[in-house]
Amino acid sequence: AQSVAQPEDQVNVAEGNPLTVKCTYSVSGNPYLFWYVQYPNRGLQFLLKYITGDNLVKGSYGFEAEFNKSQTSFHLKKPSALVSDSALYFCAVRDRRRDDKIIFGKGTRLHILP
Amino acid sequence: AAGVIQSPRHLIKEKRETATLKCYPIPRHDTVYWYQQGPGQDPQFLISFYEKMQSDKGSIPDRFSAQQFSDYHSELNMSSLELGDSALYFCASSPSVATGELFFGEGSRLTVL
Repeated sequence: AQSVAQPEDQVNVAEGNPLTVKCTYSVSGNPYLFWYVQYPNRGLQFLLKYITGDNLVKGSYGFEAEFNKSQTSFHLKKPSALVSDSALYFCAVRDRRRDDKIIFGKGTRLHILP
Repeated sequence: AAGVIQSPRHLIKEKRETATLKCYPIPRHDTVYWYQQGPGQDPQFLISFYEKMQSDKGSIPDRFSAQQFSDYHSELNMSSLELGDSALYFCASSPSVATGELFFGEGSRLTVL
């Protein structure tokens, strides 16, 4: 069964600094990997995904993520953080099988300090 | 662009009552998923449907049931409600391409008193 680990409950970053939110995964085959963001009392918004190809994928709002197969990681990054990036971020994995569910990590709360 | 529509957005019930949540997926999305998110928790997969048939089942209590109808909308029925059922319930849909991400609705917040 697939699983996702987000080792940090919370990450604090000063505005303008680069940010990284960590994610590692476990899946039996090759994974589909996703990052979602959630604002208070809202649904989950898709940020980006890795399916195949380049290990560095770019997504919405200037975010990007790097797929590292040897380390089974998919860390979320942004070169320069904005206060408006403050939210709850979920890493998710999907096994490469038609209509299989997405499994979420526990989430990391990102605080961008002005 | 059309999004996933969930109703009601908020619902308050007493213990042992019954609740029904509705989900209208994005047009031409044939797969629907239900997730439960407790306070401060990650979304937990409940159940999914593909082409109106149940495709996968997660940690869904026996008191809960769901189905997908001919117009692809889905309903989650919850009976004998317990305090612990208070949560945000999300519906998501995806097209039949297996690599696709899920598109989530804004959720239905159930409060059980």
